[in-house]
Amino acid sequence: QKEVEQNSGPLSVPEGAIASLNCTYSDRVSQSFFWYRQYSGKSPELIMSIYSNGDKEDGRFTAQLNKASQYVSLLIRDSQPSDSATYLCAVNSRGSARQLTFGSGTQLTVLP
Amino acid sequence: GAVVSQHPSWVICKSGTSVKIECRSLDFQATTMFWYRQFPKQSLMLMATSNEGSKATYEQGVEKDKFLINHASLTLSTLTVTSAHPEDSSFYICSAPTGSGANVLTFGAGSRLTVL
Repeated sequence: QKEVEQNSGPLSVPEGAIASLNCTYSDRVSQSFFWYRQYSGKSPELIMSIYSNGDKEDGRFTAQLNKASQYVSLLIRDSQPSDSATYLCAVNSRGSARQLTFGSGTQLTVLP
Repeated sequence: GAVVSQHPSWVICKSGTSVKIECRSLDFQATTMFWYRQFPKQSLMLMATSNEGSKATYEQGVEKDKFLINHASLTLSTLTVTSAHPEDSSFYICSAPTGSGANVLTFGAGSRLTVL
């Protein structure tokens, strides 16, 4: 079982819709959870971080964490074509705040 | 915000040659630098962790003699791919812990290596 699992997609949503990205992780002691966006040929950039159960909102982005079920999700409201990218879920699963394990990413396409 | 400058952004080399990739922290001191490799359509895989002034820590399966990492100063870490082969062609990305509690990674722009 992979440590961090994501549906690879591709996921397509129409412009203006809500895009929902999901991620599950295997290490119960994980404490920090991150969503990175990666455009093709570019390095990842941080979108959201979440550390406690519940929802965290930042603009059009909402991260949701459920430690009991070991999943973390990212909702993108009012999706825009510029949101089209691969979204990487990253989890601190090594007991160190400095090392992250990345999922394989979900490719999102927002159709104009 | 914190910036990690990585270069070259892309390099093409012949099989058997060595290639050096540099990552510099521009406005902060990076005592630690993570080096990742990413093959097409795959996620980032941690190769090694470099620490200023000490030996790098390599992940299982990564050849330390092939991927030489040097972290000679608080602002510079380098990765040298020695005797490169076509299977080493990949996207190499460095990152440094930044932010509150050093819990966030700032990535370099990445280096696309193509070995002919």
